[in-house]
Amino acid sequence: DTAVSQTPKYLVTQMGNDKSIKCEQNLGHDTMYWYKQDSKKFLKIMFSYNNKELIINETVPNRFSPKSPDKAHLNLHINSLELGDSAVYFCASSQNLGLAGFHEQFFGPGTRLTVL
Amino acid sequence: RKEVEQDPGPFNVPEGATVAFNCTYSNSASQSFFWYRQDCRKEPKLLMSVYSSGNEDGRFTAQLNRASQYISLLIRDSKLSDSATYLCVVNGGYSGNTGKLIFGQGTTLQVKP
Repeated sequence: DTAVSQTPKYLVTQMGNDKSIKCEQNLGHDTMYWYKQDSKKFLKIMFSYNNKELIINETVPNRFSPKSPDKAHLNLHINSLELGDSAVYFCASSQNLGLAGFHEQFFGPGTRLTVL
Repeated sequence: RKEVEQDPGPFNVPEGATVAFNCTYSNSASQSFFWYRQDCRKEPKLLMSVYSSGNEDGRFTAQLNRASQYISLLIRDSKLSDSATYLCVVNGGYSGNTGKLIFGQGTTLQVKP
């Protein structure tokens, strides 16, 4: 009965590799997000999709590419991994209430990425 | 200047103490305000939304001062289980509602027996 799930939970890889992180939510939400939490604990939005449409695209390297095959899934692919990509990546979802804004965001457990 | 600023602490308090956290935000167009809680090596979870009139949920009271762009969280009768990082969160306040949230660095609370 997990609400927002991410795989893998831990990812250790070498510089230069390409890796993907998957996220799925079973809450019926129409908006999903990717956040990065660095070593200083700042949590920063990277991307957001609403009904499979990209609505937030922050200033992140184009090595990062999100893909949303459907409303319940938002994956993150990272090319040519660098040491600075080491962080915890959180997926989240919420319900778009239209003019009323967005409801609470529910976060996945995080993926701890370590680039060696 | 950071968009959302918090004192990172840590705040070390004894059980039963009352502790207050403050937060300031820079975008006066922000519409929604929240406190999230993040336990060590866990995901953030919504603690409470913050309304202009102030709101209370059990031992927790949140207040918003729009004029000063200031948000506070008061925890009364601290429990050991309150030990966590408390994140001040503001919606982006940008045109076209996108649900973009801006997180503060978080304030770490350690409640001691």
